[in-house]
Order: sequence, then structure tokens, then C-alpha cells
Amino acid sequence: EIVVTQSPLSLPVTPGEPASISCRSARSLLHPNGHNYLDWYLQKPGQSPQLLISLASNRASGVPGRFSGSGSGTDFTLEISRVEAEDVGIYYCMAALQTPYTFGQGTKLEIK
Amino acid sequence: QVQLVESGGGVVQPGRSLTLSCAASGFAFRSYGMHWVRQTPGKGLEWVAVLSYDATKSSYADSVKGRFTISRDNSKNALYLHMNTLRPDDTAVYYCVKGSSTSFDSWGQGTLVTVSS
Repeated sequence: EIVVTQSPLSLPVTPGEPASISCRSARSLLHPNGHNYLDWYLQKPGQSPQLLISLASNRASGVPGRFSGSGSGTDFTLEISRVEAEDVGIYYCMAALQTPYTFGQGTKLEIK
Repeated sequence: QVQLVESGGGVVQPGRSLTLSCAASGFAFRSYGMHWVRQTPGKGLEWVAVLSYDATKSSYADSVKGRFTISRDNSKNALYLHMNTLRPDDTAVYYCVKGSSTSFDSWGQGTLVTVSS
């Protein structure tokens, strides 16, 4: 099992300001095909999780351009260029290289 | 649009069995691998099981291996999770999730399973 660790676990942000979440994997998520198998999900209050980013940096359909993912190997980052009120929720990274797929503990983003 | 609707959750005693169902629509169900993921307040999100598009390959989390079985009926666009020998730590919201080649691209609304005497 690949352990993934997120930080911070709580993230208060002023609207319009940037935000950044880190995800570290205990093992490299780089596949021989050159892709990093790391996803980001957002669970808004009262909703199911939704896919934000796949393969470390590919925004899912409909995801606003203010969201971006980066990183390779064991270190990954989700960045929000300018936080909006609708971005509140819990952000999870997930290692998708092999089963069992594993999630980070979650980062709760709240508006200051 | 993709719709995944879970059902079958409820309160069940430890040691008993329960089967969850997921009705899928809005996509070519028979072409996609499908997953179950569960969520508890204490342990967050936990991947439970996956079944290939043609039901020939499956994989399970160690925590459920030997007790849970994932299955599907492509003629009915349905996914199932048969849960045996349930334990209190199986208490969770269970999500039916559509897999893409690299991620979980659609989630159902979830169904709550409570294992308690």
C-alpha cells in the first residue's frame, strides 16, 4: 500500500488570495509510461467527492482554470490561483498507480 | 449525463450480510471498470474494490478481502457489493464510482451502512 500524506490539514484562505496543498507519496507514482498517477478530488459540503485533477496535472472537464496540479515522483501540489467562496470543502489527493488506491487525510479549505 | 444511484444501505447487526446496488445511466456502463469507495468520519476515504468492465478481474482492499464481493450485471447497468460478516468498522457511506483509465471520474451520492447491535 502506498501511503500519501497531505499538508496542511486545515487551510483558511482570504477570497482572492492563492492557496496551495501538498501531497507526498511514500513511493514514486511515476509510471513507466511517463505519467504520474496522482489525482486530486474536492468534496464540497454535503456532496460526494468530485474529480479535479488526474495524472497530477490534467484538469477534469468543467474544472475552472484557477485550479492547477504539478509535481512528479513523490511530491505533488494543488494550487488555486485565486480562491473563491465556492472552493470551500475538503481536498483529497489519491495515489492511483496500483491497487489498493489510497487517499490522503484531506485538507479542509475554509474562507477567512 | 452520468448518473450513479446507490441503494441497499441500512442498519445491520455485526456478523450479518448486506448487498449494495448501484444503478448506472448516462454512459456505456459495459465499457468501464467500476469501484466502490467508502467514507467514515474517522478514516476518511477508503477504496474498497474494483471490477473490470467485463467482470473478469477484481481487486479488494485488505480490510474487506474474503468478506466482500463486487459484481456487475452489464445487461442491467448495475453494480453490486455483497458484504458478509459485517463488522462495526465497516460502518460508512459507500459510494459507487465510475473509473476512467486513470481516475474516478464520477461518484454516486452514497448509501449509509451502519453496523451495530
